Amino acid sequence: QLQLQESGPGLVKPSETLSLTCTVSGGSISSSSSYWGWIRQPPGKGLEWIASIYYSGSTSYYPSLKSRVTISLDTSKNQFSLKLSSVTAADTAVYYCARRTTRPWYFDLWGRGTVVTVSS
Amino acid sequence: QSVLTQPPSVSGAPGQRVTISCTGSSSNIGADYDVHWYQQLPGTAPKLLIYGNSNRPSGVPDRFSGSKSGTSASLAITGLQAEDEADYYCQSFDSSLSGSVFGGGTKLTVL
Repeated sequence: QLQLQESGPGLVKPSETLSLTCTVSGGSISSSSSYWGWIRQPPGKGLEWIASIYYSGSTSYYPSLKSRVTISLDTSKNQFSLKLSSVTAADTAVYYCARRTTRPWYFDLWGRGTVVTVSS
Repeated sequence: QSVLTQPPSVSGAPGQRVTISCTGSSSNIGADYDVHWYQQLPGTAPKLLIYGNSNRPSGVPDRFSGSKSGTSASLAITGLQAEDEADYYCQSFDSSLSGSVFGGGTKLTVL
């Protein structure tokens, strides 16, 4: 059964770059029927889609974050990653990695989430 | 302010029926993009509840149902149970943003 697991530092200093990795187990990340994405949830708030990547490497980003975000794939390790630069306290959140289907584009599998706090 | 609008909270007694609305616009729900629903129990990751407006993944009770009309969608829960107490989120695709969008979430309280 396919599973996703986030990993990365739980504390990042303001103005630095947040880096997270999602490891996919039980299946291949190189599936033509899947996109891979990141969603975050600030404390006490709702869900916010950040970015998605297709197995081909095609990417899409939430416009308000696009200038600071990079999503990438490492098929050799069956992982995909997120980098968010110039972080501020507003980037403090639980970060989830998830699998998104092709159209109609829903997220059918989620990781457990990882808490990232931006603080000096 | 989320692209999709949901009521912040709804409540109901055990056994009752509740509905949660999700209102969008002509660039998302009204543009014929499907609506999906997620259930988030306290302290856990969201779980897919309804996909493609009205389809239930395997294992989701038929007490949960979804519908869509125009620029809005609804999630209905019948035979309310204490274990249904959770946050519920709608999600769709937005053509102007070229990406996925979520509602702000609705907290369901079982009285």
